[in-house]
Amino acid sequence: GAVVSQHPSRVICKSGTSVKIECRSLDFQATTMFWYRQFPKKSLMLMATSNEGSKATYEQGVEKDKFLINHASLTLSTLTVTSAHPEDSSFYICSASRLAGDEQYFGPGTRLTVT
Amino acid sequence: AQKITQTQPGMFVQEKEAVTLDCTYDTSDPSYGLFWYKQPSSGEMIFLIYQGSYDQQNATEGRYSLNFQKARKSANLVISASQLGDSAMYFCAMREGYGNNRLAFGKGNQVVVIP
Repeated sequence: GAVVSQHPSRVICKSGTSVKIECRSLDFQATTMFWYRQFPKKSLMLMATSNEGSKATYEQGVEKDKFLINHASLTLSTLTVTSAHPEDSSFYICSASRLAGDEQYFGPGTRLTVT
Repeated sequence: AQKITQTQPGMFVQEKEAVTLDCTYDTSDPSYGLFWYKQPSSGEMIFLIYQGSYDQQNATEGRYSLNFQKARKSANLVISASQLGDSAMYFCAMREGYGNNRLAFGKGNQVVVIP
């Protein structure tokens, strides 16, 4: 149990376009989902925390208008990178928790390349 | 201030040998949890082991054990009998307080197991 999927696993988009990444908890309901960004050979940086049915809480320095997060159901959260630029190229990882304070289960990640 | 510190350079380990990965942490909260994750080149984050701040004994999970020294604020991971499949990045992470599952990650340790 506790499987989290992400789609797509890899995406290449042109500069100026928007791209949506989905994070799904496949066999459990996730009240909280997290979005991380990871640069090559670097650590995971928390971007935002999203709770089902409410607005996401963004970490300091993360532009909420740039990285739109929607957590519309207990099994799905989406991250939309709007007007993507090459500097947005990165590895984006989501995680999901059943309840606040519970363990996080990580998705396999999405590699975004903006050309 | 950095919450989690992992300062070791990349490590080469002989197959079947044990390896210790260092992690020190910084928190003033008496309630916290410490996690170790493995990230192979494919990118997914694999949970390895967890230690709670109130746990009396060091955590063990198969070939993984955690050397928890609370007074020194260290939580080193020991991998015994290294296997080629252990080659990966290893991240130490901390969660502070009750009802909070935000994780702060260290910068990671690169381990390469050589035959």
